[in-house]
Amino acid sequence: DTGVSQDPRHKITKRGQNVTFRCDPISEHNRLYWYRQTLGQGPEFLTYFQNEAQLEKSRLLSDRFSAERPKGSFSTLEIQRTEQGDSAMYLCASSLVNGNTIYFGEGSWLTVV
Amino acid sequence: QKEVEQNSGPLSVPEGAIASLNCTYSDRGSQSFFWYRQYSGKSPELIMFIYSNGDKEDGRFTAQLNKASQYVSLLIRDSQPSDSATYLCAVNPAQIRGGSNYKLTFGKGTLLTVNP
Repeated sequence: DTGVSQDPRHKITKRGQNVTFRCDPISEHNRLYWYRQTLGQGPEFLTYFQNEAQLEKSRLLSDRFSAERPKGSFSTLEIQRTEQGDSAMYLCASSLVNGNTIYFGEGSWLTVV
Repeated sequence: QKEVEQNSGPLSVPEGAIASLNCTYSDRGSQSFFWYRQYSGKSPELIMFIYSNGDKEDGRFTAQLNKASQYVSLLIRDSQPSDSATYLCAVNPAQIRGGSNYKLTFGKGTLLTVNP
């Protein structure tokens, strides 16, 4: 069990550029979640997958954001035309369907300049 | 709007004391409750979860839940400087098991400082 892995850990990008984050969940975990955390705030739910199906999206996930989990294993979160307000830590987490907790990855920090 | 409220702190306690962290929530339908610890620049780390009224103890940590009052707390006994962190309260409308998902609503966190 290697834990939830996220890449890259840090990304600095210019406003208007696209960025993509990758998350590798704990193997055999069929649920995968994306959260976003800004400074001084708690994490906010963005979306979650069960296997390859995206089952729910928060209204925070504007049309510039897209998440995929094509084979039910790793997931990507893409942000198009980044804005300064997108600067945050993007957290991935995974769980079993009948698990009693979720496990967070170490997060991917995004800074938009 | 489902909300989770926490005192942002900072809460400062001397080493060896009991730290008491509090959290209230607005969604009366919430079923499961979590406490996470987050060190600066790091991701949240689960300390405990609770879903039944009463107390749940794990080592130096005790979670307390009162659904009637919509209140959950975390007590840290024998506080250590290494406990200095932000403590996040999170609630979930779903039950822990039975295919629940973890669409957690987090509070803003309480910054705890334990002074040597």
